[in-house]
Amino acid sequence: QVQLVESGGGVVQPGRSLRLSCEASGFTFSSFGMHWVRQAPGKGLEWVALIWYDGSNTHYSEYMKGRFTISRDNSKNTLYLALSSLRDEDTAVYYCARGTTYIDSWGQGTLVTVSS
Amino acid sequence: EIVMTQSPATLSVSPGERGTLSCRASQSVNSNLAWYQQKPGQAPRLLIHGASTRATGTPARFSGSGSGTEFTLTISSLQSEDFAVYYCQQYEDWPLTFGQGTRLEIK
Repeated sequence: QVQLVESGGGVVQPGRSLRLSCEASGFTFSSFGMHWVRQAPGKGLEWVALIWYDGSNTHYSEYMKGRFTISRDNSKNTLYLALSSLRDEDTAVYYCARGTTYIDSWGQGTLVTVSS
Repeated sequence: EIVMTQSPATLSVSPGERGTLSCRASQSVNSNLAWYQQKPGQAPRLLIHGASTRATGTPARFSGSGSGTEFTLTISSLQSEDFAVYYCQQYEDWPLTFGQGTRLEIK
């Protein structure tokens, strides 16, 4: 079955950087677009970014464009999200998810806490 | 960006009764709308895509309707496991956007 396992979260100071990873299994990773979606504590879902199946195109939320970078390594079945210039309001659970438009599978998420 | 607005914020319904959740888009999204269910401490789960197509494993008591700017998720006879938060999401245009969610609680 589809498995998406995020890692790389933790506590980071404002202004610093972090890279999240998502290891995929149970499906042909190189055939699917992949998203990052985040959820601040007690809040709703916020779409972050999408990368096409072959990495040839990306889309971002305007709020994160320029600070966050989505990428993938199809040889390693792994999705990445590089976060830079982190702010308090970036504190959230970050979910890796499969799909090119709607999302049909989600990981369990990794918590990023931005705090001094 | 397309703004998705869900109503009500909280819906209180008794088990066995019907629940009706609404989602409105700030501009037409045609039928490019999905619904997700999220339970506490869990990742969201896809229920409906294409406004009305049930995802694999979605029980028949869940139905989606609408197109353009007005959408509805109906749960025909609420079971205990259906009490959760529900989100709509449009995928007509970038950036993708979610509604703020409707919390479905036991009355």
